[in-house]
Amino acid sequence: EPEVTQTPSHQVTQMGQEVILRCVPISNHLYFYWYRQILGQKVEFLVSFYNNEISEKSEIFDDQFSVERPDGSNFTLKIRSTKLEDSAMYFCASLPLRTQRTEAFFGQGTRLTVV
Amino acid sequence: DAKTTQPTSMDCAEGRAANLPCNHSTISGNEYVYWYRQIHSQGPQYIIHGLKNNETNEMASLIITEDRKSSTLILPHATLRDTAVYYCIVSDNFNKFYFGSGTKLNVKP
Repeated sequence: EPEVTQTPSHQVTQMGQEVILRCVPISNHLYFYWYRQILGQKVEFLVSFYNNEISEKSEIFDDQFSVERPDGSNFTLKIRSTKLEDSAMYFCASLPLRTQRTEAFFGQGTRLTVV
Repeated sequence: DAKTTQPTSMDCAEGRAANLPCNHSTISGNEYVYWYRQIHSQGPQYIIHGLKNNETNEMASLIITEDRKSSTLILPHATLRDTAVYYCIVSDNFNKFYFGSGTKLNVKP
C-alpha cells in the first residue's frame, strides 16, 4: 500500500535553531498538508499546499514557518527559530485530488522536541 | 472549530461490535462525514466517509441518520488493535480538517 514517509521520526533541537521536517508524499498526489499535535492535545491544521503555493494556512502558521516542495518528491516544513512551544508531533498528509471522494494519507509523524 | 460532538471514551469487549456515535447537528448539505482514527501518537488513519447514504468498507460501516444530524461508526468485530482515538469530522473539502477531541475506544479482552 502506498504511504507518506516522514523523516526524521524524532528531532531534538535547541531553542532558536532552525529545523526542517521532511515528507515524501505519495507519488501521484497533488495536495499536501502539514498538521501538528502538541502532546495530549488535538490534531491542528497548519497549512495546505497545491501547485507550488500555499492554498490555506492557519493562524498558527506564522512567519516562523515555511513550506517548500524543492523537487518532485519532497515536501518540507521549516521552522526558522524554534520555540519551546513548537514541541509537538508534526504530521504530513497528501491527497490525490481535493474532493470529498478521496481519502487523505497521513505520515507517521516527526516528533519535534525543542529544549 | 470542530462541528462534531463525540463521547470522550467508550469500552468494548473484544470480538463484539463497537458502535461509536457522533453528533453533527449543524452539518450543511454539501458536507461529508469522515471518520479517522489515531493509534497512540501515530498519524491519523482514514476509516470511512459518507454524505447521506450508509457506507461499508473492509474496516467499518457508517450509518448516517436521515436528517444527517448524527452518525454511527460500527466496527463489526473489534480487536485489541482497534484501541485508538476515533475522530468524526465534517467537511466540504479537505483544505482543513478540524480534528476534535475524538472518542477513546478501549477494546478489552
